[in-house]
Amino acid sequence: SAVISQKPSRDICQRGTSLTIQCQVDSQVTMMFWYRQQPGQSLTLIATANQGSEATYESGFVIDKFPISRPNLTFSTLTVSNMSPEDSSIYLCSVIPGMGNTEAFFGQGTRLTVV
Amino acid sequence: SQQGEEDPQALSIQEGENATMNCSYKTSINNLQWYRQNSGRGLVHLILIRSNEREKHSGRLRVTLDTSKKSSSLLITASRAADTASYFCATGRDNYGQNFVFGPGTRLSVLP
Repeated sequence: SAVISQKPSRDICQRGTSLTIQCQVDSQVTMMFWYRQQPGQSLTLIATANQGSEATYESGFVIDKFPISRPNLTFSTLTVSNMSPEDSSIYLCSVIPGMGNTEAFFGQGTRLTVV
Repeated sequence: SQQGEEDPQALSIQEGENATMNCSYKTSINNLQWYRQNSGRGLVHLILIRSNEREKHSGRLRVTLDTSKKSSSLLITASRAADTASYFCATGRDNYGQNFVFGPGTRLSVLP
């Protein structure tokens, strides 16, 4: 299993600014993911955070808008850049502890409101 | 692309009743998982069923998988108010089943 601490839990930001969300895991994990959940919607995968290399982004998401860092096997950050009201969503960090596992663990999410 | 799609989108039942949620997907899968989300918070893993399994139980949960119909169902028996949440199915996109596609979810309300 894995325990994830995601910060901040919520924030209200001005348009045009950036917010960095942190994800800290209590153990080393192989796979880390960042998801977006728009109001009333399901989860959409933004990217896979790769340790020591550039993140792998899904279609519709780009590094300039959502830069991701993963300096080690327990920590990752997602930045939402140059925010607009359309970026208002819940952002979720998720991990899968090992290559042989398939159960995902989630942080409590960051509820972002852009005004 | 693979995509889990749940129905119904919303379900309201009385405490003690059973709740059934369905999920359909489009392509072959390695496994299918069900997750619960309370009030827009983090998701909690409920149960995983592999492509070679047909039925699985965990406490009050029963999951079935029909790969010929590309569908799964989640049954919650003897529901409680605490079961009120959104339920999502997730299908694995890659060979390891670790890259997920989530369905739109079913919002379950259990009334006391």
